[in-house]
Amino acid sequence: GQQVMQIPQYQHVQEGEDFTTYCNSSTTLSNIQWYKQRPGGHPVFLIQLVKSGEVKKQKRLTFQFGEAKKNSSLHITATQTTDVGTYFCAGLRVGEYGNKLVFGAGTILRVKS
Amino acid sequence: KAGVTQTPRYLIKTRGQQVTLSCSPISGHRSVSWYQQTPGQGLQFLFEYFSETQRNKGNFPGRFSGRQFSNSRSEMNVSTLELGDSALYLCASSLLLAGGPDEQFFGPGTRLTVL
Repeated sequence: GQQVMQIPQYQHVQEGEDFTTYCNSSTTLSNIQWYKQRPGGHPVFLIQLVKSGEVKKQKRLTFQFGEAKKNSSLHITATQTTDVGTYFCAGLRVGEYGNKLVFGAGTILRVKS
Repeated sequence: KAGVTQTPRYLIKTRGQQVTLSCSPISGHRSVSWYQQTPGQGLQFLFEYFSETQRNKGNFPGRFSGRQFSNSRSEMNVSTLELGDSALYLCASSLLLAGGPDEQFFGPGTRLTVL
């Protein structure tokens, strides 16, 4: 099962509204990556966060990594129709048998114009 | 640089058959990972290969196997197909850094339908 929980599963917003998706891990993560998958496409890397409490911005997108490195969020300000897609977080877990990237189930974003 | 390529793009098989999927990573990338994507389960990690060695494995039955060649190209095989194996199979390549897999570059995927 999923070891990185991502919520919400779906989000429908009116164009111009804000959107946030959250990721939570039961264990500490070495880093967290975020991906976007457009309908019919494949996941595309957005960003990687490494440091505790790190915040990064890409235009209207703001990414945060929690102080305990167990949670992360992606916030989109003033959504546009081009933001439609599924947003995945992926946490890097260091384990006894090596490092593994564990994906959340994704949040599907729909934007109504 | 050419992106990650996967063949075939679409495949229809019947229960009990086996299938082999192929992935060519970005030139210079030696780490190749495979994921299964289904609507209800998101991206499930299958396995990761680096320098022809399987470094990590997800929680899939032994019917799922893979290998990597000296040129970093990778194949995955599913034997005795079941209806539940219908999914999009994604391959991703990355540079392997000291701390673990870096940014994953995904291929377009192979859409497998099992009838």
